[in-house]
Amino acid sequence: DTEVTQTPKHLVMGMTNKKSLKCEQHMGHRAMYWYKQKAKKPPELMFVYSYEKLSINESVPSRFSPECPNSSLLNLHLHALQPEDSALYLCASSQGLGRTSSYEQYFGPGTRLTVT
Amino acid sequence: DQQVKQNSPSLSVQEGRISILNCDYTNSMFDYFLWYKKYPAEGPTFLISISSIKDKNEDGRFTVFLNKSAKHLSLHIVPSQPGDSAVYFCAASSSDKIIFGKGTRLHILP
Repeated sequence: DTEVTQTPKHLVMGMTNKKSLKCEQHMGHRAMYWYKQKAKKPPELMFVYSYEKLSINESVPSRFSPECPNSSLLNLHLHALQPEDSALYLCASSQGLGRTSSYEQYFGPGTRLTVT
Repeated sequence: DQQVKQNSPSLSVQEGRISILNCDYTNSMFDYFLWYKKYPAEGPTFLISISSIKDKNEDGRFTVFLNKSAKHLSLHIVPSQPGDSAVYFCAASSSDKIIFGKGTRLHILP
């Protein structure tokens, strides 16, 4: 099973809402990632978890709150978002961190988020 | 400041011919380079990679070439097939992060 799943596929939320994005993998990978991708732009790294601990936070605003309940699951909690946060949010996983094992990342299909 | 650059937003190639996608980078600390392929409504899919200590890596129809002195890499697809039509992202890595280029949309023409 080389699949990373993400739910929901699409999400529309108001600026006062609280919602969560979910990501799951069953490849035994110990590193998981959140990326944000705007239209016609490359994916931009937001967070990296390694062994369920936050390893990298790319100065992401606190209205985005990641959570890694276990080695297979990664959540992204959203609160008080702005319209400019509308984007495709991609989850990825890799065997681990460190030379080469972090590089070959498997991506989910993404959640298309629209903030109104 | 873009550290990974794909200067061609799109490329059209006849089916059966060779597709060459180019990528330039600026950071000499990158030690691993990757190509990802992305179809609409799907996440990027890992395609092929190359370590900075090598200059060529081949996998079936896909070959990646690395020219460290020029800070340039390229992806060759031969022969090109209709299913190769997608967006191709060049990526470079160091310190557990991957930095992506903006992508090149490849159209394979019948």
